Amino acid sequence: GQQLNQSPQSMFIQEGEDVSMNCTSSSIFNTWLWYKQDPGEGPVLLIALYKAGELTSNGRLTAQFGITRKDSFLNISASIPSDVGIYFCAGHPNNDYKLSFGAGTTVTVRA
Amino acid sequence: DGGITQSPKYLFRKEGQNVTLSCEQNLNHDAMYWYRQDPGQGLRLIYYSQIVNDFQKGDIAEGYSVSREKKESFPLTVTSAQKNPTAFYLCASSKRAGGDSYEQYFGPGTRLTVT
Repeated sequence: GQQLNQSPQSMFIQEGEDVSMNCTSSSIFNTWLWYKQDPGEGPVLLIALYKAGELTSNGRLTAQFGITRKDSFLNISASIPSDVGIYFCAGHPNNDYKLSFGAGTTVTVRA
Repeated sequence: DGGITQSPKYLFRKEGQNVTLSCEQNLNHDAMYWYRQDPGQGLRLIYYSQIVNDFQKGDIAEGYSVSREKKESFPLTVTSAQKNPTAFYLCASSKRAGGDSYEQYFGPGTRLTVT
């Protein structure tokens, strides 16, 4: 599958902060998905986006499907310690139903 | 409770041995997938199956084999031909491949260590 560019690769959060991460592709995507993975566990689906420009929330999480259909971002508001983990973006390119995944953003609590 | 189960959670094997990883789902999903995850990397697709008795190779199928005899089950065999089998293996399923439902749901994973 096509590789997605996800950034940042890692970030440190302090409780109460808002954080943001994004994902870009070189081609048009039909669907964007955001997952969270805790250590040693499988990814859990957080948000699914199906339309360009779509803005969807799930509690303190908000994700948007970029207008160009080549990018998506995920915001976490008022972060809490249990937000730590690896966040993956995934998407379906226009000409392929298989999921492509980003390399992940590792979120860690700042000491 | 609907979901995907993978067993065992941890698996240890000697080099040269074949090993089979189990994946079962009771979500009534048509499509099932196997991914491999290495540290610091995204997920790479090994095999996928859209319907019973049919499956296709993904991006890194060499050294692996699968079967899909039942809708609920999609076991993965890691053969001795796989050069670097030590990894975290994830099974996933979705309502259907293609169409509007692209959301994949993952099992808890199996960590395979080959020495």
